Amino acid sequence: AIQMTQSPSSLSASVGDRVTITCRASQGIRNDLGWYQQKPGKAPKVLIYAASSLQSGVPSRFSGSGSGTDFTLTISSLQPEDFATYYCLQDYDYPLTFGQGTKVEIK
Amino acid sequence: QVQLQESGPGLVKPSETLSLTCTVSGDSVSSGNYYWTWIRQPPGKGLEWIGYVYYTGNTNYNPSLKSRVTISVDTSKNQFSLKLTSVTAADTAVYYCARRVAANPIYCFDYWGQGALVAVSS
Repeated sequence: AIQMTQSPSSLSASVGDRVTITCRASQGIRNDLGWYQQKPGKAPKVLIYAASSLQSGVPSRFSGSGSGTDFTLTISSLQPEDFATYYCLQDYDYPLTFGQGTKVEIK
Repeated sequence: QVQLQESGPGLVKPSETLSLTCTVSGDSVSSGNYYWTWIRQPPGKGLEWIGYVYYTGNTNYNPSLKSRVTISVDTSKNQFSLKLTSVTAADTAVYYCARRVAANPIYCFDYWGQGALVAVSS
């Protein structure tokens, strides 16, 4: 199975900060990567698919980049509602695998 | 608006079978380009893909669970189901059903159920 490694595992940031989360795949996955946001007690919500495509209805402050093995999720200006846990997901090959998550907390 | 809703027992005894059903509204499980999927999340931990069923009945399972998992679809009821046999405490988790769209170039889980907590305990 393809291993997905996210970093950092957690971070503290302030409203208005630029936040970057990275995800590394154990082998090349083209651009078959998505980013999901999960708030406590809720189901995950897709933000980005195909590494850089913004899901309909998701604010433009979220962006994704990368290809091959290294990917990045950027939040350009952190908002109060963005404090959550973020997961990357590779859908290049089965079994689909998620990163371990990055918890974004309030500084 | 597409909605998914999990249902089933919240408590299962060790060695028994966990059974959950996902009822879909606002869409048909017979629609092409969708893979009806189960994902789980142990308390305080990350997400694990369990497997999917396509409307034709084709399935794909996580090898880590393959010997114990069955996912099936009932198009007449617009539902799909998960069975996990020989459960242990390690199977305690929130179980999500989700729709995976696979229509080039869009590949993602676009709709999710609210999640069902299943505890394995005697």
